[in-house]
Amino acid sequence: EFVLTQSPATLSLSPGERATLTCRASQSVNSYFAWYQQKPGQAPRLLIYDASKRATGIPARFSGSGSGTDFTLTISSLEPEDFAVYYCQQRSHWLTYTFGQGTKLEIK
Amino acid sequence: QVQLQESGPGLVKPSETLSLTCTVSGGSISNYYWTWIRQPPGKGLEWIGYIYYTGSTNYNPSLKSRVTISVDKSKNQFSLNLNSVTAADTAVYYCARLVGASWAFDLWGQGTMVTVSS
Repeated sequence: EFVLTQSPATLSLSPGERATLTCRASQSVNSYFAWYQQKPGQAPRLLIYDASKRATGIPARFSGSGSGTDFTLTISSLEPEDFAVYYCQQRSHWLTYTFGQGTKLEIK
Repeated sequence: QVQLQESGPGLVKPSETLSLTCTVSGGSISNYYWTWIRQPPGKGLEWIGYIYYTGSTNYNPSLKSRVTISVDKSKNQFSLNLNSVTAADTAVYYCARLVGASWAFDLWGQGTMVTVSS
């Protein structure tokens, strides 16, 4: 079974600080890796695709990196609207899709 | 711009079939993959399956025996049927567009809550 493990489960930071969220795959994966942001009562929003490319309209403070089994989402300087839950997502070799369990980014 | 809207019953009885439709407006359903994703209350996201506009499908192995996704190009809609539902199928159900070049979900509907209860 293909599993994505996100850490930490909860991250408490203040506006202006740098946030680093990680996602580890249970086996080496291709570059079809994405990150999403979800705010309460809303659908997820695509932030990053192909591990490092920003989706349309996503601010430059969001960046993605990684390959193999380890991927990172970095928010360079947190804005108040960035506090939300973040999910990683990967397409497997069997053309199925898996999400991580989520990281809650909360205001400290 | 392209928008997605889910529709269907908000309450389904156990052992019955959950049926939802996603209407694509502002653009064509052609040349894209269309998918269903669900989220139980307070939990994470689970991919259910996708359909290409030509009708080819792929499902989550854990749900494959109970899921059917179909497409109606004339109506610019695609649909989800999930049979033999239980309380564990209670969730917000999202339809989303899957982009073939990046294999990411770039557009989402607002989601619809479906409760399985007698």
